[in-house]
Amino acid sequence: EVVLTQSPATLYVSPGERATLSCRTSQSVSSGLAWYQQKPGQPPRLLIYDASTRATGIPARFSGSGSGTEFTLTISSLQSEDFAMYYCQQYNNWPPITFGQGTKLDIK
Amino acid sequence: EVQLVGSGGHLVQPGGSLRLSCAASGFTFRTYWMTWVRQTPGKGLEWVASIKEDGSEKYYVDSVKGRFIISRDNAESSVHLQMNSLRADDTAVYYCARGHYGMDQWGQGARVTVSS
Repeated sequence: EVVLTQSPATLYVSPGERATLSCRTSQSVSSGLAWYQQKPGQPPRLLIYDASTRATGIPARFSGSGSGTEFTLTISSLQSEDFAMYYCQQYNNWPPITFGQGTKLDIK
Repeated sequence: EVQLVGSGGHLVQPGGSLRLSCAASGFTFRTYWMTWVRQTPGKGLEWVASIKEDGSEKYYVDSVKGRFIISRDNAESSVHLQMNSLRADDTAVYYCARGHYGMDQWGQGARVTVSS
C-alpha cells in the first residue's frame, strides 16, 4: 500500500499570499496523483489530477507539480474561500487507492 | 447538471446490514467507474470500493473485503454499497463519487452510525 504523507498538518497564510502544500508518497506513483479541497459539511472537490492538470472550473491560481514521490499544490494568491482542508490521493498503484491525512489551510 | 444523490444512511447495530444507494443524473453513467469513499468524524478520507463501467471489475479496501459488496445498475444509473457484518469502525459518512482516478463529482454523503 502506498502511504501518503502531507505536510504541514496546518498551514497559516495571509490572504493574498502564496500557499505551498506538500504530499510525499512512500513509493513512486509516477504522475498518478490528485488534489482535493474540502470545506466543513461538504464533499471533497477535485482540484488537480495527473499531478498537474486542473479539473474543470478550477481557477488558475491553483497549480500542481511533481512526479514520482514528491508533489506540491500551490495556491498563488489566497482568496478567503480557499481556507479549507486539502487532501492528496494516489491512484497509480491501486488497489488500494490511498489518501493523505490532509493539510488544513488556515488564516494567519 | 451532474448530480449524485446518496441515500440509505442510518443507525444500525453492530453485526447488522445496510444498503447505500447513489442515484446519478446529468451524465452518461455507464461510461464511468464509480467509487465509494468514507470519512470518519474529524478524520480523513478512506477509499472503500470501486466498480468498473460495466460492473465486470470490483475492488475493495482490505478492511471491508468479504463484508461489503459494490454493485451498479446502468439502466437505472445507480450504484450501491451493500454493507454486512457492520462494525463500530465502519461508522462514517459515505460518499459516492464519479471515477476512481481523479474523482470529479461527489454525492453529498450518507451518514452511517454503527452502535448498540
